[in-house]
Amino acid sequence: GENVEQHPSTLSVQEGDSAVIKCTYSDSASNYFPWYKQELGKGPQLIIDIRSNVGEKKDQRIAVTLNKTAKHFSLHITETQPEDSAVYFCAASKREYGNKLVFGAGTILRVKS
Amino acid sequence: DGGITQSPKYLFRKEGQNVTLSCEQNLNHDAMYWYRQDPGQGLRLIYYSQIVNDFQKGDIAEGYSVSREKKESFPLTVTSAQKNPTAFYLCASSSWDKNTEAFFGQGTRLTVV
Repeated sequence: GENVEQHPSTLSVQEGDSAVIKCTYSDSASNYFPWYKQELGKGPQLIIDIRSNVGEKKDQRIAVTLNKTAKHFSLHITETQPEDSAVYFCAASKREYGNKLVFGAGTILRVKS
Repeated sequence: DGGITQSPKYLFRKEGQNVTLSCEQNLNHDAMYWYRQDPGQGLRLIYYSQIVNDFQKGDIAEGYSVSREKKESFPLTVTSAQKNPTAFYLCASSSWDKNTEAFFGQGTRLTVV
């Protein structure tokens, strides 16, 4: 089955700097890659997603890139702010299994002001 | 407001007891999911349901049971057979027929006392 690895497990950046979180997946048939943000004691919320027919997607300060050949995708947050501090999860799924998401282990992002 | 609601937020269980966690959605989604979250780990799939009166085991189904009698509801029972039930439980829903966003509830924290 699918396996998703996520790095780093913790990331500390200074306010205003950029943050990059990387994930690799094992199943080349996976075609949907969402990123979720989870604040303490709450459920995850989708912040951006990308499908396998697209190499990059941006939404204001957040971008995701996908390299299908290498089977990895990355989350980029620019101009980080203290409110970006949270746990971020990547995930992967494939069309024929609906949204059975396989998650990475998560990255704790701390933005220092 | 459309959304997915989990209750209770906190739940305490004595060893040997069964407990049921509630999950309700008004998003008209066909698919619903239960995930378990442990510290430092990603979300792991317990059970999922594509349609009313049908459900499938996920990766860690042992010691859990579910039912799907209504489209809106997908309760999870943590049985006494689950040896390590203390965890954060998350319910999600989505469309099944295409890769789209999965919406999560706010979670239930279960503690065995």
